[in-house]
Amino acid sequence: AQSVTQPDIHITVSEGASLELRCNYSYGATPYLFWYVQSPGQGLQLLLKYFSGDTLVQGIKGFEAEFKRSQSSFNLRKPSVHWSDAAEYFCAVGARTNAGKSTFGDGTTLTVKP
Amino acid sequence: NAGVTQTPKFQVLKTGQSMTLQCAQDMNHNSMYWYRQDPGMGLRLIYYSASEGTTDKGEVPNGYNVSRLNKREFSLRLESAAPSQTSVYFCASSPGSRLKGANVLTFGAGSRLTVL
Repeated sequence: AQSVTQPDIHITVSEGASLELRCNYSYGATPYLFWYVQSPGQGLQLLLKYFSGDTLVQGIKGFEAEFKRSQSSFNLRKPSVHWSDAAEYFCAVGARTNAGKSTFGDGTTLTVKP
Repeated sequence: NAGVTQTPKFQVLKTGQSMTLQCAQDMNHNSMYWYRQDPGMGLRLIYYSASEGTTDKGEVPNGYNVSRLNKREFSLRLESAAPSQTSVYFCASSPGSRLKGANVLTFGAGSRLTVL
């Protein structure tokens, strides 16, 4: 069975500081990997995705993530955090099938200090 | 484009009452999904429909039924609501083909349900 672990429930960073959110997955084959962001009271929005090829993927809002097969990780990074990045972030792993079911991590809440 | 539209946004029910959450997408997606989100538990899949005319159970299907009314619409029904079903429900859709991008989910804004 596939699973996703986000070890950090809550992270606080200062505005302008760098950010790394951790994600570890368990999957029997090469996975599809995703990061979604959820602002308060909103649905989830796709930040970026990895399907194959270059293991460093770029997303919206200046985010990037690196797929490391040897570590079963897909960590999300941003060089300089903005106050508007405060939100909840979800890592997800999906199957390479038509069903497209994704398993989500429990999420990491990001607080940005001024 | 509206994307994925869910109704209602808020609902309060008494234990034992029934209700249906409606979801519609205008992106011509094949696959649709219902998730529930509970604090500290991420999103859990309730039911999904890989294509029009098919539905399958997800991780937490007990107490729910679904109907894929047509390609656009996918409803979630609670026949006899219980306090354990208090949650935020999200509908999502995806292209659902074997092409890259098939599994990217587009979410609705959510429906907050409270069962007293």
